[in-house]
Amino acid sequence: NAGVTQTPKFQVLKTGQSMTLQCAQDMNHEYMSWYRQDPGMGLRLIHYSVGAGITDQGEVPNGYNVSRSTTEDFPLRLLSAAPSQTSVYFCASSPPGQGLVSYEQYFGPGTRLTVT
Amino acid sequence: GENVEQHPSTLSVQEGDSAVIKCTYSDSASNYFPWYKQELGKGPQLIIDIRSNVGEKKDQRIAVTLNKTAKHFSLHITETQPEDSAVYFCAASSLGTGRRALTFGSGTRLQVQP
Repeated sequence: NAGVTQTPKFQVLKTGQSMTLQCAQDMNHEYMSWYRQDPGMGLRLIHYSVGAGITDQGEVPNGYNVSRSTTEDFPLRLLSAAPSQTSVYFCASSPPGQGLVSYEQYFGPGTRLTVT
Repeated sequence: GENVEQHPSTLSVQEGDSAVIKCTYSDSASNYFPWYKQELGKGPQLIIDIRSNVGEKKDQRIAVTLNKTAKHFSLHITETQPEDSAVYFCAASSLGTGRRALTFGSGTRLQVQP
């Protein structure tokens, strides 16, 4: 298994540009999520999905859109990039987690985004 | 919503010493407390977790303790080794709501001096 993959690894955008950060997992996990990581602030939840066709907002959703058409893929779209969106973005996935099964979230390697 | 505070922000220990990282949470509904280790240039990786019906859990050199009354939990690493150097994050979540969102602390950079 490749686990959770993210592309691109690095990206530079100009203010106002749009782009999509790709995330894919091959573990048949139902739960997927996007976090952003900023210095001194830990990771903050942007959007999450509990299964194909179902998405919801996290703590910091403004300026981002998501969709979940398949179990494997969960892309994150920046509609009009702003310097405040400069950050490292992590995608994560997790199994259904019933009973004593682990609720571990598996993180991808991240995408470092700079908006100038 | 949930708020998780983590201390210290940086911690330097000598190889072989113990390291302790502490977190407090605000939402009494939180019932799942994982710890993640993040190495440079990589995504966080789960190292240990604990649920609210357990007070302590150990896995080799790593242990986590939970005090529900005081709403705080701690990570203990014994016999530290240079490969333990990384950033450690605590987190809290409310399982059973379907949301399973993790609220993270701000992180602790652990440096183990050889």
